[in-house]
Amino acid sequence: QVQLQESGPGLVKPSGTLSLTCAVSGGSISSSNWWSWVRQSPGKGLEWIGEVYHTGTTNYNPSLKSRVTISVDKSKNQFSLKLTSVTAADTAVYYCASPTGGYYYGMDVWGQGTTVTVSS
Amino acid sequence: QSALTQPPSASGSPGQSVTISCTGTSSDVGTYNYVSWYRQHPGKAPKLMVYEVFKRPSGVPDRLSGSKSGNTASLTVSGLQAEDEADYYCSSYAGSSHWVFGGGTKLTVL
Repeated sequence: QVQLQESGPGLVKPSGTLSLTCAVSGGSISSSNWWSWVRQSPGKGLEWIGEVYHTGTTNYNPSLKSRVTISVDKSKNQFSLKLTSVTAADTAVYYCASPTGGYYYGMDVWGQGTTVTVSS
Repeated sequence: QSALTQPPSASGSPGQSVTISCTGTSSDVGTYNYVSWYRQHPGKAPKLMVYEVFKRPSGVPDRLSGSKSGNTASLTVSGLQAEDEADYYCSSYAGSSHWVFGGGTKLTVL
């Protein structure tokens, strides 16, 4: 069973870059899975950020596309999220997730989430 | 790409049934049978409960059932139990390899 674990700084300064990593265990990142990032602002709902395939193919939420980069590191069996020019509105719990049953299956594997606060 | 619309809250007594709606558009829910439902307990990660409108992953009780009509998907929780008290989110494929979530519904078991 694939497991995911997020890591990265819990505090980022306004106008800076948020960088998070999701380590994949119990399976290979080169399997036929897409790897996603989802965030949840305090007291708010879930927001899909984007996804990456092991080939490097990416899809992004149009509202974040200009600021987001998601990439894969096969050597470390992990994938990453970079979000530039952050503001307080980017303060959220960030989850990595994957639909291991197929692209349209729904995200059945989630990391525990990591809280990122944007503040000076 | 706008968020799907869910009622902010729903409630029911133990043993009763509750239905949560999720309204999208003809660009997402109305066109694609790729609607998922997630349950989230406080401080926890979401858990997939229903996928492809009505299918349940292994281990999810058949008390939870999904359906869709037009641009609106629904999740019905029957035989309410204390463990069902949580936030529920719907999600839909929105075409062009994009996904959209609903705003969430807080289900209270009275």
